[in-house]
Amino acid sequence: DAGVIQSPRHEVTEMGQEVTLRCKPISGHDYLFWYRQTMMRGLELLIYFNNNVPIDDSGMPEDRFSAKMPNASFSTLKIQPSEPRDSAVYFCASSSRTFATNEKQFFGSGTQLSVL
Amino acid sequence: AQSVTQLGSHVSVSEGALVLLRCNYSSSVPPYLFWYVQYPNQGLQLLLKYTTGATLVKGINGFEAEFKKSETSFHLTKPSAHMSDAAEYFCAVSPPNDYKLSFGAGTTVTVRA
Repeated sequence: DAGVIQSPRHEVTEMGQEVTLRCKPISGHDYLFWYRQTMMRGLELLIYFNNNVPIDDSGMPEDRFSAKMPNASFSTLKIQPSEPRDSAVYFCASSSRTFATNEKQFFGSGTQLSVL
Repeated sequence: AQSVTQLGSHVSVSEGALVLLRCNYSSSVPPYLFWYVQYPNQGLQLLLKYTTGATLVKGINGFEAEFKKSETSFHLTKPSAHMSDAAEYFCAVSPPNDYKLSFGAGTTVTVRA
């Protein structure tokens, strides 16, 4: 399996622009997570989905952030409009209900976002 | 609610020396505990996990951790550090049967030749 695939690997944009981050989870996994990593706040869970349905979005910082999962093999995290404080590494992870417990999340390599 | 505190944001060890990374947790229910490693420009990889049963758990790359309920700790150790162990390490906690992980701030390990 190719693992969790995120794109783009790096994104540089200007303040006010729309940014879309993409994630392809591991085939067969029915849980998908979006995390943000910054020096100041560490690794934070933004939102997670189960069977394409958002379960907990309490970590989404504000209305400028939105996430969708139109099908089992694709998810997006959108920031509109972007701000410099959104600069961070965004990780996507997936997991499977076949793990009887929350035994393992598989992480992608992340998207390094820089908002100028 | 669950939270994790990692003591020491940076640890420097000599090659061949013991690696000890400290993690204390707070949880209102019996926790599931995890250690992840992050190499530069990569995502997180699971090193080991504790869910139930034996409190000493062994993971990949020679790492192990011991769950001590009385001390609310889950410290990570490796008897002999290798240069390849240089990375950032994260302790995480979740409630049982819950997919929501809470991570510590991370500890960066450097290994001196």
